[in-house]
Amino acid sequence: GEDVEQSLFLSVREGDSSVINCTYTDSSSTYLYWYKQEPGAGLQLLTYIFSNMDMKQDQRLTVLLNKKDKHLSLRIADTQTGDSAIYFCAEIPPLMNSGGYQKVTFGTGTKLQVIP
Amino acid sequence: EAQVTQNPRYLITVTGKKLTVTCSQNMNHEYMSWYRQDPGLGLRQIYYSMNVEVTDKGDVPEGYKVSRKEKRNFPLILESPSPNQTSLYFCASSSEAGARWESPLHFGNGTRLTVT
Repeated sequence: GEDVEQSLFLSVREGDSSVINCTYTDSSSTYLYWYKQEPGAGLQLLTYIFSNMDMKQDQRLTVLLNKKDKHLSLRIADTQTGDSAIYFCAEIPPLMNSGGYQKVTFGTGTKLQVIP
Repeated sequence: EAQVTQNPRYLITVTGKKLTVTCSQNMNHEYMSWYRQDPGLGLRQIYYSMNVEVTDKGDVPEGYKVSRKEKRNFPLILESPSPNQTSLYFCASSSEAGARWESPLHFGNGTRLTVT
């Protein structure tokens, strides 16, 4: 199958903005998620966007969606050392495209390193 | 506290020695799933279960077995482990296959398996 692609690594200085990019596979995906994985832990849902939205802002987080290019991005403003983690984008295809089962497909993950 | 509990956290074994990784959730979730995480490949689904006694293959099921005899438990069984199964494994659960933002996947903290 096709992959949900992300760059593997991003390094930023504390206080700068971070932008993590993702290219997903199905332009009709209904939900797109960002999950955060802190060291030694499982993934936790960070934020989400519906496919009928172009942008969603939640405090320091801004999610941008370009459906035409199947491109999703996560911007973290004023990046802190506590933001160091691996970030996964994930897509949920429509029910009709997945044989009745809405499987969550994860990207390859982007490791964000925040330099003090 | 709502959680997904995996055991053990770390496991080192030898080729061919059968092992079981346990997973238990206390949220009364119907859907449970196993993933493996490998560098550069992200999370790949091994098996999933929509409900008790209902299991199905994910993207990489070869070499693995699962069972769902009770709603809360979903063990992952490696009958004859091989070195290519060395990986970080995650169990996850949700109320609706993680397909809605109101019911995201809840992850365990992971099991790091090394097969020599």
